[in-house]
Amino acid sequence: GAVVSQHPSWVICKSGTSVKIECRSLDFQATTMFWYRQFPKQSLMLMATSNEGSKATYEQGVEKDKFLINHASLTLSTLTVTSAHPEDSSFYICSARDIPGGSNEKLFFGSGTQLSVL
Amino acid sequence: QQQVKQSPQSLIVQKGGISIINCAYENTAFDYFPWYQQFPGKGPALLIAIRPDVSEKKEGRFTISFNKSAKQFSLHIMDSQPGDSATYFCAASSYSSASKIIFGSGTRLSIRP
Repeated sequence: GAVVSQHPSWVICKSGTSVKIECRSLDFQATTMFWYRQFPKQSLMLMATSNEGSKATYEQGVEKDKFLINHASLTLSTLTVTSAHPEDSSFYICSARDIPGGSNEKLFFGSGTQLSVL
Repeated sequence: QQQVKQSPQSLIVQKGGISIINCAYENTAFDYFPWYQQFPGKGPALLIAIRPDVSEKKEGRFTISFNKSAKQFSLHIMDSQPGDSATYFCAASSYSSASKIIFGSGTRLSIRP
């Protein structure tokens, strides 16, 4: 099946610094990528939808200036957590959809990034 | 109307038993119902999915039962094994690419040897 690579798998940073997380579709072109946040023992919460070459669409309550999303190519989307604080500590997961205009059957998830802000 | 309600929150099943997880939805526009399996520290992976034109779909030990009139669907894991211990999420969306996937709250399944 299709592979979505997410990097890094875990990161520890100091409060006030910025952290970039990469999401790559390795063997397909992904016109749409999604970013999720997951707290321990909770479900995935959609943060934003990222379309290649255009601005991301953020879900209600998600600060677009804090969580910067860039989808500059068909195989790469990045999430930058700016001026991170301890409350931003969470598990961040990306997903990518295979085939332009493809169905949700072709949605594949990355392995996640555990962010810990000290 | 966008919610997908999942139960139970946690489940313990003996090895070889049947694990059953239930979900209910409200939005009748949903027409794609996947189940995802997630291991600790990993992203979710698609396990099995169903569309509402069938009432049951089976893949190996995993079966989805779908009741369109009740707006409910469930996952059955037959002959449950310790390796099945994970968190399971039901979800719902429109089949088309334009729709976001709405996740249930998750069920932590533990299979006792």
